[in-house]
Amino acid sequence: DVKVTQSSRYLVKRTGEKVFLECVQDMDHENMFWYRQDPGLGLRLIYFSYDVKMKEKGDIPEGYSVSREKKERFSLILESASTNQTSMYLCASSLSYISYEQYFGPGTRLTVT
Amino acid sequence: ILNVEQSPQSLHVQEGDSTNFTCSFPSSNFYALHWYRWETAKSPEALFVMTLNGDEKKKGRISATLNTKEGYSYLYIKGSQPEDSATYLCSPMDSNYQLIWGAGTKLIIKP
Repeated sequence: DVKVTQSSRYLVKRTGEKVFLECVQDMDHENMFWYRQDPGLGLRLIYFSYDVKMKEKGDIPEGYSVSREKKERFSLILESASTNQTSMYLCASSLSYISYEQYFGPGTRLTVT
Repeated sequence: ILNVEQSPQSLHVQEGDSTNFTCSFPSSNFYALHWYRWETAKSPEALFVMTLNGDEKKKGRISATLNTKEGYSYLYIKGSQPEDSATYLCSPMDSNYQLIWGAGTKLIIKP
C-alpha cells in the first residue's frame, strides 16, 4: 500500500512565522502535490512537482513556496504565515499526473493566529 | 479550465437504502474523471478513474457512470452502510491535464 505521511496533524502558528509542512511518500512516485481545502470549496492546488528539484505553480501559489530535494519528500513553506492561510493542507502523490489516481496524506490542519 | 458542480451538497440516507449523487462538468475538453471518498479524520481515497463515454465502474456496492457528451457522472451506492458516511469528491481533468475538484457531496448514513 502507498503511504503518504505528513509531519503534523494539527499545527498552530503565529502571524509572521515561517512554517514548514513536510510530506513523505514511500512508493517512488514521480509526482507530488500540495492542496489546501477550505469549507465549501473544492481542493485547490498550491504547487506540484513532477521530479526532484522541479516544481510548478498551481492555482493559488501566492504566499507559499515548495522544496523537493529528494524524490520521496515534498515540503510546503509558508514564508510569513497570515491568518488567511488557516486551512487544511493535504499532500498527495501519484505515479503519473495524467492517468493515475492520487494518494493522499492525512492532512495538516493549520491555524494561524 | 473546467468548472465542476456536485449535487447535492449533503445527503442523509437511511441505512440499507440506495442513493446516488451527481458530478456535472463542461463536456468540452474533457479528458478524465476521478472519484474519491474522504472519510472524517482519514485521507481521501481514490474510488474510480474514468475516461470513456459510457464507462461504468464498480467497487463492491459503489458504482459510477460517465457521460462525457452531456458532462455528468453519477455515483451510486447500493444498500448504504454506516461506513459509507463520507464526503465524495469528483475531479474532472481537461485536455490540458488540469484537474479541478468539486466541493463534494457529504453523505451521512442514519442507522
